Amino acid sequence: KAGVTQTPRYLIKTRGQQVTLSCSPISGHRSVSWYQQTPGQGLQFLFEYFSETQRNKGNFPGRFSGRQFSNSRSEMNVSTLELGDSALYLCASSLVQGAQETQYFGPGTRLLVL
Amino acid sequence: DQQVKQNSPSLSVQEGRISILNCDYTNSMFDYFLWYKKYPAEGPTFLISISSIKDKNEDGRFTVFLNKSAKHLSLHIVPSQPGDSAVYFCAASATSGTYKYIFGTGTRLKVLA
Repeated sequence: KAGVTQTPRYLIKTRGQQVTLSCSPISGHRSVSWYQQTPGQGLQFLFEYFSETQRNKGNFPGRFSGRQFSNSRSEMNVSTLELGDSALYLCASSLVQGAQETQYFGPGTRLLVL
Repeated sequence: DQQVKQNSPSLSVQEGRISILNCDYTNSMFDYFLWYKKYPAEGPTFLISISSIKDKNEDGRFTVFLNKSAKHLSLHIVPSQPGDSAVYFCAASATSGTYKYIFGTGTRLKVLA
């Protein structure tokens, strides 16, 4: 089975621009979560989608949004980029929604905001 | 407020010896814990998990111990191998919570040959 894929792998943007990141979960997985990883902060939970509905949301400003499609693929959008948005953005999928479901991560998209 | 803490940012261990990585949590509602390993330029890889109904779970060279009263868990790697060199994250979740996993900040393990 193919793993979680994320595109693009690397991205450079300037302040004020917007960006869209894409995630394709493992086939059959219906839950997709997004995380931001920055040095010293670990993985910060952004949001989770299940069956095209946002089920959980972390403490990030409204500039961060996402959506999930009927094939479980998910996109994350960040508008009005700030320098502090530079980070590794990780997507994880799991079979179903549940607090004891193991999440499988993609390789991440590294975003650099100049 | 960091609900899951990994107080050691780095750890160096000789090959063949035991590696012990520690994780503390503050939320008593957490009842499921996981460890992930992350190599550079890759996403985290699931290693091992433990439910709060257990105090130990073992998988090959990896053992996770959970001390609920101390709100502490640890990952033991025996024997340590150079390929174990990576960043290790612990994560916690609550079955009754509205959030997914809360991750620690990671511990960078270096196994010296």
